[in-house]
Amino acid sequence: EPEVTQTPSHQVTQMGQEVILRCVPISNHLYFYWYRQILGQKVEFLVSFYNNEISEKSEIFDDQFSVERPDGSNFTLKIRSTKLEDSAMYFCASSLTGGDTEAFFGQGTRLTVV
Amino acid sequence: KQEVTQIPAALSVPEGENLVLNCSFTDSAIYNLQWFRQDPGKGLTSLLLIQSSQREQTSGRLNASLDKSSGRSTLYIAASQPGDSATYLCAVNPRDDYKLSFGAGTTVTVRA
Repeated sequence: EPEVTQTPSHQVTQMGQEVILRCVPISNHLYFYWYRQILGQKVEFLVSFYNNEISEKSEIFDDQFSVERPDGSNFTLKIRSTKLEDSAMYFCASSLTGGDTEAFFGQGTRLTVV
Repeated sequence: KQEVTQIPAALSVPEGENLVLNCSFTDSAIYNLQWFRQDPGKGLTSLLLIQSSQREQTSGRLNASLDKSSGRSTLYIAASQPGDSATYLCAVNPRDDYKLSFGAGTTVTVRA
């Protein structure tokens, strides 16, 4: 069964360093998303991406964050200068045609900023 | 802004008992509602998707109902097993954008 894959599963980084979280969405899906879940809190939306551009972003997604689809399969989230409060589980998701179709999530990348 | 609430926050039942998990949302203008399962420290596994035009969706021992007008969904898990122990999340997809709004989840423990 097709699935969304994320790498790495766990990343530890020092405050101020740049990190790139990688995702391979399901191959025929057109919409891609990043969500995050701070420990003990709700899953919250970061950004959606369609047709090679951001379609929506939340207030959390400030200038420190960027997304990219560098080739036909990968979808990345970059955090330019990490802060302690960026520590969270980051989930990538994809859906076939957007809001009216099922979203499939990856297993997540646990980011720990020290 | 869509608010999603799940009650109860935690539930502990003996094996074999049926589970009833509740989800409520404030804005009925939705595309669909999804139920997810999350094991500790793990990702989100989609269990059921109910479109806004549907009242019910079933998969094996799982049955989810949707009452859009009252802003409620219920997930029923029949004949619970210890392997059902996990956190169950409800998420709604609003009509005005393509992003899921999640509830905080119900953590279920099924005692053998």
